[in-house]
Amino acid sequence: GENVEQHPSTLSVQEGDSAVIKCTYSDSASNYFPWYKQELGKRPQLIIDIRSNVGEKKDQRIAVTLNKTAKHFSLHITETQPEDSAVYFCAASKVTGGGNKLTFGTGTQLKVEL
Amino acid sequence: DSGVTQTPKHLITATGQRVTLRCSPRSGDLSVYWYQQSLDQGLQFLIHYYNGEERAKGNILERFSAQQFPDLHSELNLSSLELGDSALYFCASSAHSGTGGAGYTEAFFGQGTRLTVV
Repeated sequence: GENVEQHPSTLSVQEGDSAVIKCTYSDSASNYFPWYKQELGKRPQLIIDIRSNVGEKKDQRIAVTLNKTAKHFSLHITETQPEDSAVYFCAASKVTGGGNKLTFGTGTQLKVEL
Repeated sequence: DSGVTQTPKHLITATGQRVTLRCSPRSGDLSVYWYQQSLDQGLQFLIHYYNGEERAKGNILERFSAQQFPDLHSELNLSSLELGDSALYFCASSAHSGTGGAGYTEAFFGQGTRLTVV
């Protein structure tokens, strides 16, 4: 089955700096790569996703890049703010007509310091 | 609000007991997924139901079972509970993805049920 590795496990940045989180996946058939943000005790919330036919996607301060050949994808957050502090999870899945089972990375605790 | 409803929010029970967690997906979503989140294991996929049928199983123990009813709500049954079963249990739903890929829609998570086994 799919295996997703995520690095780093913790990341501390100064407000205004950029943050980068990296993930690798094992199943070359995976075609969907979402990123979730989870605040303490709350549900994971999708912040951005990318499909395998796209190399990069951007949404305001957040961007995701995908390298299918190397089987890795990254989350980039620019101009970080204190409210960006949370745990971020990457995930990979092979979307089929019946649904989408997500395999998650182990999470990155991002702390944005003033 | 994601539109996915999970009940109860909190559950405290004793070892050896059985509990049922309930999930109502977003209106129109045919797929329901269950995930377990514990401190040392992260988010682990348990099981996927699509329009009442089991579609995929992950790291789900034999003591655990699930079903999806005709009205599309789902229940996760946990029996012979052990201390190690204490975790956050999330349900997520997504719409039918058609042929896959281009037709895909995201998975929306409920607020979770925090299970504490004492």
